[in-house]
Amino acid sequence: KQEVTQIPAALSVPEGENLVLNCSFTDSAIYNLQWFRQDPGKGLTSLLLIQSSQREQTSGRLNASLDKSSGRSTLYIAASQPGDSATYLCAVSYSGNTPLVFGKGTRLSVIA
Amino acid sequence: KAGVTQTPRYLIKTRGQQVTLSCSPISGHRSVSWYQQTPGQGLQFLFEYFSETQRNKGNFPGRFSGRQFSNSRSEMNVSTLELGDSALYLCASRTGTGASNSPLHFGNGTRLTVT
Repeated sequence: KQEVTQIPAALSVPEGENLVLNCSFTDSAIYNLQWFRQDPGKGLTSLLLIQSSQREQTSGRLNASLDKSSGRSTLYIAASQPGDSATYLCAVSYSGNTPLVFGKGTRLSVIA
Repeated sequence: KAGVTQTPRYLIKTRGQQVTLSCSPISGHRSVSWYQQTPGQGLQFLFEYFSETQRNKGNFPGRFSGRQFSNSRSEMNVSTLELGDSALYLCASRTGTGASNSPLHFGNGTRLTVT
C-alpha cells in the first residue's frame, strides 16, 4: 500500500529558528512530490513541487529536497516567522494522472 | 486569475438528507478532483474528473457521486447522509493535460456538518 508519513505531527519553535519538516513514502517509484500549506479552516496552498528527476526546489525561505532512493523529502524553512504557523502537508503522485497520496501533515507553531 | 471557488462554504444537514457541493476550477483547468478531510483520516481522495469523464475514483461508497460540466465546473453529491460524512470537502484543479507535473490548486472547501 502506498503510504505517506509525516513526523512529527506537531512542532513548536521560537521565531527566527531554521527548521526541517520530514516526509517519507513507502513506494519510491514516485512521479512527483508536492508540499502544501493549510491554514485553519482553509484549503491547501501549493508551496513547492519536485519532479522525480529533481533533487530540490526553492522558493524564498523554503527549500524542499527529494531523495527517492530512501523514500524521503524534507521541507526546510529558514528564519521562521509567526506567519509560518500552519499545517504543512506532503503529497506524492505515482504516475501522470493518478491522484495524490497525502500525509497527515505537521502542525507548525512559530512562537514570537 | 481567480482561484478555485467552492460553494457553499458551510452546510448543516441532518442524517438521511442529501447534499450537493459545487466547484468552479481555475480558468483553463480541465481536471477537477475532490477530497474529504477529517481529523482522523486526513485527506482522502474521492474522485477526479477530466473533460466531463471520471478519470479516477477513490474508495468511497456509491452514496458519493460527482459530475463535471462542459465548462469544467464540477459538483459532488452525497446521498443518505451519515454522521460520519461530516468533514471538510475540498476541490482542486489543475491543467490536467498530459502528465501531472502541474501543481494542484485547492479551493477553501465546504464544511459539511451532519446532525
